[in-house]
Amino acid sequence: EAQVTQNPRYLITVTGKKLTVTCSQNMNHEYMSWYRQDPGLGLRQIYYSMNVEVTDKGDVPEGYKVSRKEKRNFPLILESPSPNQTSLYFCASSLGRSSGANVLTFGAGSRLTVL
Amino acid sequence: GENVEQHPSTLSVQEGDSAVIKCTYSDSASNYFPWYKQELGKRPQLIIDIRSNVGEKKDQRIAVTLNKTAKHFSLHITETQPEDSAVYFCAASPTGNQFYFGTGTSLTVIP
Repeated sequence: EAQVTQNPRYLITVTGKKLTVTCSQNMNHEYMSWYRQDPGLGLRQIYYSMNVEVTDKGDVPEGYKVSRKEKRNFPLILESPSPNQTSLYFCASSLGRSSGANVLTFGAGSRLTVL
Repeated sequence: GENVEQHPSTLSVQEGDSAVIKCTYSDSASNYFPWYKQELGKRPQLIIDIRSNVGEKKDQRIAVTLNKTAKHFSLHITETQPEDSAVYFCAASPTGNQFYFGTGTSLTVIP
């Protein structure tokens, strides 16, 4: 089944404790991206990657890091989480702009709480 | 960067009526406008999209219109059904890689 898989789905952590949210897709998609969803603010793009070893900042990249060492994986790293990073996070992928196909396939979401 | 505004934030309609959600964007370079539906507790899923070289697109009960001059686009749902109840997000993309979403419209269809 074609899908985007995120882990963990739920996480409660404390301020300053580094964490990684993993994202993996099995559709051979070139493009992957991360979003955070907050009430009243919609979805905001954190980072995106057009291909392996190519990453770019989205609208709200502060406090986050990403890497794209393999085509299928795009982990989101919070080096020193703070309470304002409490949010619902979505990973998404698509075939990529080069193919003319921009339809995003989203993962199920990861709800992160930073105390 | 791009700024997308979406209205209304909440919308209630009687089953069978039509629903319209409107979005405006600021960057004239935006050329791709998708709409996503998010049911409660679920992930967003694409329902329809339109590119800037097209003024209108339909898919059964759903249609999207685009006015490039005015920089606004709208989602139209006809003959609404209870299963249309969800949060709808519009988005604009100037590059195909960056996506700017609206703040969402919570649609409730009353049986």
